[in-house]
Parts: sequence; structure tokens; C-alpha cells
Amino acid sequence: GAVVSQHPSRVICKSGTSVKIECRSLDFQATTMFWYRQFPKKSLMLMATSNEGSKATYEQGVEKDKFLINHASLTLSTLTVTSAHPEDSSFYICSASPRDRAPYGYTFGSGTRLTVV
Amino acid sequence: SQQGEEDPQALSIQEGENATMNCSYKTSINNLQWYRQNSGRGLVHLILIRSNEREKHSGRLRVTLDTSKKSSSLLITASRAADTASYFCATDRGSTLGRLYFGRGTQLTVWP
Repeated sequence: GAVVSQHPSRVICKSGTSVKIECRSLDFQATTMFWYRQFPKKSLMLMATSNEGSKATYEQGVEKDKFLINHASLTLSTLTVTSAHPEDSSFYICSASPRDRAPYGYTFGSGTRLTVV
Repeated sequence: SQQGEEDPQALSIQEGENATMNCSYKTSINNLQWYRQNSGRGLVHLILIRSNEREKHSGRLRVTLDTSKKSSSLLITASRAADTASYFCATDRGSTLGRLYFGRGTQLTVWP
């Protein structure tokens, strides 16, 4: 149980366009999901906490107007990279946990590799 | 900034040898977790050790935690080529909200 699905797994987009990445909890409900970013051969950096039904909480230094997060249901959070630029190219990964296992037991999605050309 | 620092950043060993990776952190924690990541893929949770625990085992994995030194180690015994991956430690920085702060990771290569 506790499967997290991320879509798409890879996306290439042109500079200036927006890209939406989905994170779904397949067999459980998640009031909270987290979004991370990973540069090549680097660590994962927490970007934001996605809260169902309310605004996301962003980590210091993360532009909320650049990385729009929507958590409209208990099984889906979306991250939209707006007006993407090559420096936004990265590996984005989400995590979620069933409410009865939170704050531990978070499962990660398989990640989305974004390339902005 | 990231929470932990793994040492070494890269480790290359032969199958059958043991691999030891270390992690240091700077704040108080409730627990520390170790994750594995195969190249370009998602994270797999390996083990969680709570702040009041000193050692934990899971199969070929042994994790220690020294809160006085703010450090942890992950030992993989009798390594296999399939253990080749990046290994990260992550802490909660004392929060119970589920946020994780990752170290830089150790790239482990196990040669057959």
C-alpha cells in the first residue's frame, strides 16, 4: 500500500512555457504532500508543503509565483512551473503519507525530469 | 541549506565488502532516515531511527545514531552489485510536520 504516482516522468518544454506535474496518492488520502527538487548529482531540496484545501507553504528562497502548487483533492497535488527557463531544468519529486502514518512513513513518487530548452 | 552532510560523497567497493556511509546534521531531530536512490529514479525508504535509539538493524543494513555528535552511520554488509545507488540521510529538524531535509548523499558503486 501507500503508492504515490507522479506524472509525467519526463517532460521537455520550451523556455517561457508552463509545465504541470502531478502527484497522486493511489491507494490512500493525503492531506499533506511535499515537493522536492534535485539538481544533477546533488541532494534533494524541499521546495514546499502542499496542503489540501489551503495554500501551500514554501521554503525560504523558493518563488511561489514561479512554482505554483495546487492541492485540490485528497489524492492529487500539482506543481506548475510557470514561464520555465533552462535553470528550472531539474528532477522534481513529491512525497505523501497516509494520515494514519504521518508524519512518518512518507512514500516518494518516481520523479519528473524537466528539461527546459 | 541542506541539513546533512554525507561522508564520503563517493564510495567504490568490491562485492562482498562492507560499505559504511556517515551523515552529520546540525539541529535537534525526532528521527533520522536513510533513503536509497537509483540513478534518475525515485527514493526508496530504507530505515528510520528515532532520536532515542542508538542502533537499528534491517536485513543487511545497520544504522547507528549518536545524537551527542549529531551523526549517523549506515552500514551495508556483504554488499552486492545491486546495492549500487546513491544513499541519502534525511532529518526532520525537530518538526513533526513530515518535512524532510536531505544530506548530499553518497554515491556507492559495488563492483562485481
